[in-house]
Amino acid sequence: AAGVIQSPRHLIKEKRETATLKCYPIPRHDTVYWYQQGPGQDPQFLISFYEKMQSDKGSIPDRFSAQQFSDYHSELNMSSLELGDSALYFCASSLSLTTDTQYFGPGTRLTVL
Amino acid sequence: EDKVVQSPLSLVVHEGDTVTLNCSYEVTNFRSLLWYKQEKKAPTFLFMLTSSGIEKKSGRLSSILDKKELFSILNITATQTGDSAVYLCAERGGADGLTFGKGTHLIIQP
Repeated sequence: AAGVIQSPRHLIKEKRETATLKCYPIPRHDTVYWYQQGPGQDPQFLISFYEKMQSDKGSIPDRFSAQQFSDYHSELNMSSLELGDSALYFCASSLSLTTDTQYFGPGTRLTVL
Repeated sequence: EDKVVQSPLSLVVHEGDTVTLNCSYEVTNFRSLLWYKQEKKAPTFLFMLTSSGIEKKSGRLSSILDKKELFSILNITATQTGDSAVYLCAERGGADGLTFGKGTHLIIQP
């Protein structure tokens, strides 16, 4: 079965640079969620999109923004990167906003030097 | 603030043992309780529970929810080395995002 696709899988950036992470949800899933997982931490919810509109915000820094496109893929844009942004970034998708089961992608490991 | 607490934080057992992982939650607007398995990569979905007392089962894994006492357990019988992972419990409440516990790091020794 098709799963959530994320790219790139690994990314190395310098401080103050920008990064863009991409997420392709499972086909027919219209809701996308972004999470950040620091080393040894549990995943923290950042932001979600339903039908191309922002649905909810969690602990997303103001330096980050995201959007969902007409084909339902989503991009997380991160600017003025800081060392503390180094983490695993997961995208998850669900069949709809009212469906609680979220399926996670393989993640993008971001390292900020 | 919603809080999900898992115990134990780590557990080492031998192959063939049965383990019980615990998850308690304090939430408003509770919708569901989910269990995931994470092995150095993406959390893999195991179960979603919404009703009290109804056991969900998949092979050697099973889980149940108690909405009165606000907890859930995940049981794994006849453990195998491939069961070694971090098991995450998460709650879906009023927000879109899942609130995760810190996880139980389970190690199965041969």
